Amino acid sequence: SQQGEEDPQALSIQEGENATMNCSYKTSINNLQWYRQNSGRGLVHLILIRSNEREKHSGRLRVTLDTSKKSSSLLITASRAADTASYFCATDAWGAGSYQLTFGKGTKLSVIP
Amino acid sequence: KAGVTQTPRYLIKTRGQQVTLSCSPISGHRSVSWYQQTPGQGLQFLFEYFSETQRNKGNFPGRFSGRQFSNSRSEMNVSTLELGDSALYLCASSLNGVGDNEQFFGPGTRLTVL
Repeated sequence: SQQGEEDPQALSIQEGENATMNCSYKTSINNLQWYRQNSGRGLVHLILIRSNEREKHSGRLRVTLDTSKKSSSLLITASRAADTASYFCATDAWGAGSYQLTFGKGTKLSVIP
Repeated sequence: KAGVTQTPRYLIKTRGQQVTLSCSPISGHRSVSWYQQTPGQGLQFLFEYFSETQRNKGNFPGRFSGRQFSNSRSEMNVSTLELGDSALYLCASSLNGVGDNEQFFGPGTRLTVL
């Protein structure tokens, strides 16, 4: 089963608004990563947050991690049409006797100009 | 630095055939991971190779196999293709392996099985 689950599955906002996506996971992790995928640029790494960190910023992105609730959120501020993409959280964990990066099914973000 | 490259970009095969996909990682990266992406199952981890050894493996049948060469280039093979193997296959490279580092993904190979 998927380790990470994003919420909502789809989100539509106006350009300039903020977008918040959430991710929940099931087992203990070392790190949590967020990726973006669109048809033009493929899957691109956005940010990595370690289990001992609570918040991290990168440009217009802000990621929080709450290990007690096993959840993370990604905030994109002042969204642009170019932010239209699917966003995935990925957690590292042991699964089926193997260490792997497990992705959620993603949040599809549409930013309307 | 050049990014991760994958060949071919598109592939059409028929059931029962076998296919080999290729991935060239970023120079200096020793870890190459493979993922299958489908609309129904999302992104699923296939396996990871590090310094020519399979280090981690996802929950896929033995029809899916791979290898890594001394220059870190990797190939993935799928034998006895099934309709359900139609997917986007992505490879990713990183310095030290999954989880600990940013993964750099290639553009993917779109496999269609007829």
